[in-house]
Amino acid sequence: DVQMTQSPSFLSASVGDRVSITCRASQTVETYLNWYQLKPGKAPRLLIYAASSLQSGVPSRFSGSGSGTYFTLTINSLQPEDFATYYCQQGFASPRTFGQGTKVDI
Amino acid sequence: QVQLQESGPGLVRSSETLSLTCTVSGGSIGGFYWNWVRQPPGRPLEWLGFIYKTGSTNYNPSLKGRVTMSLDMSKNQFSLTMRSVTGVDTALYYCTREVGDDGFDIWGRGTMVTVSS
Repeated sequence: DVQMTQSPSFLSASVGDRVSITCRASQTVETYLNWYQLKPGKAPRLLIYAASSLQSGVPSRFSGSGSGTYFTLTINSLQPEDFATYYCQQGFASPRTFGQGTKVDI
Repeated sequence: QVQLQESGPGLVRSSETLSLTCTVSGGSIGGFYWNWVRQPPGRPLEWLGFIYKTGSTNYNPSLKGRVTMSLDMSKNQFSLTMRSVTGVDTALYYCTREVGDDGFDIWGRGTMVTVSS
């Protein structure tokens, strides 16, 4: 299985901050890398697909970059509604695998 | 817009069978890959598998053959059956749609399943 490793596991930030989360794959996943936002009691939300494509309806302060084995999710000017847990997921190989998550907290 | 809703019992006894259904509203079940993902308490997300409109399936090998997925196009529903459950199967179960290689774009809110001993 392709192992996905996110860092950091926990990130303390303030409204207005620029934050970055990294995701490393144990082997190349080309650009088949997606990012999700999870909040308790809500349906998970796809933010970024294909490493850098912004999902429809997602604010432009979210951006993704990378290819191969190293990827980054960046949130510019963190908003109160962005405090959540973020997961990367590879869609290159089966089984699909997720990172262990990054909790962004105040 | 397309919405997904999971349904099923919240409590299952150890060694028995877990059965969940996902109802797709606002769109057709055809043309996409329909997946199940779960999240045990305090653990990351785990992909369980998918079923396609043709009935073809792909399951996570970690489940060791305990899982079956099915599709009912007349009801716009797809289902998950997991046999011989144990405490490690206690989790929040999500159904989700996968659009080709572009990720899981629509998710249900999830349903919590607890396996009791």
